[in-house]
This record gives sequence, structure tokens and C-alpha cells, in this order.
Amino acid sequence: QKEVEQNSGPLSVPEGAIASLNCTYSDRVSQSFFWYRQYSGKSPELIMSIYSNGDKEDGRFTAQLNKASQYVSLLIRDSQPSDSATYLCAVNPMDSSYKLIFGSGTRLLVRP
Amino acid sequence: SAVISQKPSRDICQRGTSLTIQCQVDSQVTMMFWYRQQPGQSLTLIATANQGSEATYESGFVIDKFPISRPNLTFSTLTVSNLSPEDSSIYLCSVRPRTPETEAFFGQGTRLTVV
Repeated sequence: QKEVEQNSGPLSVPEGAIASLNCTYSDRVSQSFFWYRQYSGKSPELIMSIYSNGDKEDGRFTAQLNKASQYVSLLIRDSQPSDSATYLCAVNPMDSSYKLIFGSGTRLLVRP
Repeated sequence: SAVISQKPSRDICQRGTSLTIQCQVDSQVTMMFWYRQQPGQSLTLIATANQGSEATYESGFVIDKFPISRPNLTFSTLTVSNLSPEDSSIYLCSVRPRTPETEAFFGQGTRLTVV
């Protein structure tokens, strides 16, 4: 069974710090990777997508993908209290490209 | 991206009844997806709805319990039938408007409470 693993947290960081969120996946041939942010009581909101090895930056967010290690991460620079949310990692397994497999999410708490 | 309107946003239903959730997208999409998010849990795919064909259900989900309609390329409904308290969850509609391998976008969700 294909799996996506995340530490449930909470990950607590002070305002202004870098938050590092990690995700591992079991399907070696997965091709597409996504990070979603979900505020309590709201639906998931896309933060980043990444498709190839390396880093992808968008504002304060950087996604990092290492397919050899089956590892994808999200860095949030200059963390703000408004970044406090649950962050979901999602992976597209190769054998069923239209499905997304979600991790259980990491709860991030940014302390003022 | 895509604008997805989902309704109702929440409902409280009696056990044994059914709830139908509607999902409207602002553009034509081949596939629409229905997810369930149980309290404190992540998202689980219920089924994939294609226009003009029967929905494809994931393991653990059956058509009798979760009938889906997909009458056109912008609209779908999910019915949760014969409700029990275990069905209390958030139900989410999702689309991937570019290609099936790219970003997914979600409706606002329907919070269902069964009493």
C-alpha cells in the first residue's frame, strides 16, 4: 500500500524563524508532489507543487524534493503567526496518476 | 486554478437519512474527486467521478452508500446514504483543472454531523 508519512507535530517555532516540514513517501516512482495548508475548519489550500529534484522557491516558501531518498520538504522562512495551520503533503503515485495520496499532516504553531 | 462551489457548507442530519452534497466548478473538467476527512484525520479519496460513466470507488467505499452523479463537465453530487454517526465528517469536492497529474483544488467542504 502506498503511503505518505508526516510527523503529526505540533511543530512549534518562534515568529521570524524557519519552519521545516518533512514528508516521506513509499512509492519510488511517484512523479508529482504537493504541499497544502489547511486552517482549522477550512478546506486545503495549495501552497506549492514540485515535480523534479531540487528546490523550488515561491516567496517565503521553498519546496525541496529528493526522489532518491523519497523525501519532500517544505521550508517556511520568516514564519508568521498566520502560518499556524496543518500542512498536508500529497503525492501522485505513478500507477494511478489522477489520484492524490495525502499524509496525515503536520500541525505548525508559530509563537508570537 | 478553479473556483469550486460546494453546498451545503454544513448540515446536521438524523441517523438513517441521506444527505446530498453538490459541487459546481467554473470550468469544464474531466474528473471530479470526492474526499472524506474524518475528525482529526487526513483526506481519504472516496471516488472519482467522470462525466458519462459510473464513478470509480476506492477500496472501502461502495456505490450503495455513496452514490455519485456527474451529469455534465461542471457539476457533480455525492449522496451519503443511510447515515450513521460514523459518517460525521467533512466531505470535499476536488478538481485538477490542468491535467490529472497537476494541482488539485478543493471546494469549501461540507461538514456533516449525524445525530
